[in-house]
Amino acid sequence: DVKVTQSSRYLVKRTGEKVFLECVQDMDHENMFWYRQDPGLGLRLIYFSYDVKMKEKGDIPEGYSVSREKKERFSLILESASTNQTSMYLCALRDGYGYTFGSGTRLTVV
Amino acid sequence: SQKIEQNSEALNIQEGKTATLTCNYTNYSPAYLQWYRQDPGRGPVFLLLIRENEKEKRKERLKVTFDTTLKQSLFHITASQPADSATYLCALRGGDTDKLIFGTGTRLQVFP
Repeated sequence: DVKVTQSSRYLVKRTGEKVFLECVQDMDHENMFWYRQDPGLGLRLIYFSYDVKMKEKGDIPEGYSVSREKKERFSLILESASTNQTSMYLCALRDGYGYTFGSGTRLTVV
Repeated sequence: SQKIEQNSEALNIQEGKTATLTCNYTNYSPAYLQWYRQDPGRGPVFLLLIRENEKEKRKERLKVTFDTTLKQSLFHITASQPADSATYLCALRGGDTDKLIFGTGTRLQVFP
């Protein structure tokens, strides 16, 4: 089974900082995704990638960018962190018909 | 816009009973409907997928139905156990996209 690893479980950053959230898979899947999850709003898609150097905006891309230089790594970048980006961030990949998620990174921006 | 509705109130049932969770959607014609389980502080875990041309799918104690006319899916857990306590998420995907759209989930609590 594929494994999706998010480098940090908890992060605390200051407003205005540039923040990198890392996600690594241990296989060769092409499609990878970044979601954020907030109470009452569910999971919302930020960005996704079909392959190396390919990316598409999801439903809420504002304030975020992504990088995929190698197939196994998909990074989410908060260009200038703001308090409204405090959330649980989840990386996922498409594994056949289902999606496999990482354990999530709980980011707090103070 | 697309909307997925799951009962936001928690569902509390007694061990051994069948739990039934509902997922309704509007403004969408999904090719695939999926159910996930999420435990507190963890990422969702894929449980079952059902296609638009399928009425029912089973896996061990789990059963999913899909009614494209009613735009509704029902998720059943038979002989429920306290270990089944979690939040269950419904998700939809079109046939020409990899974008997966999630509902907000229903929290299930199974008590002894």
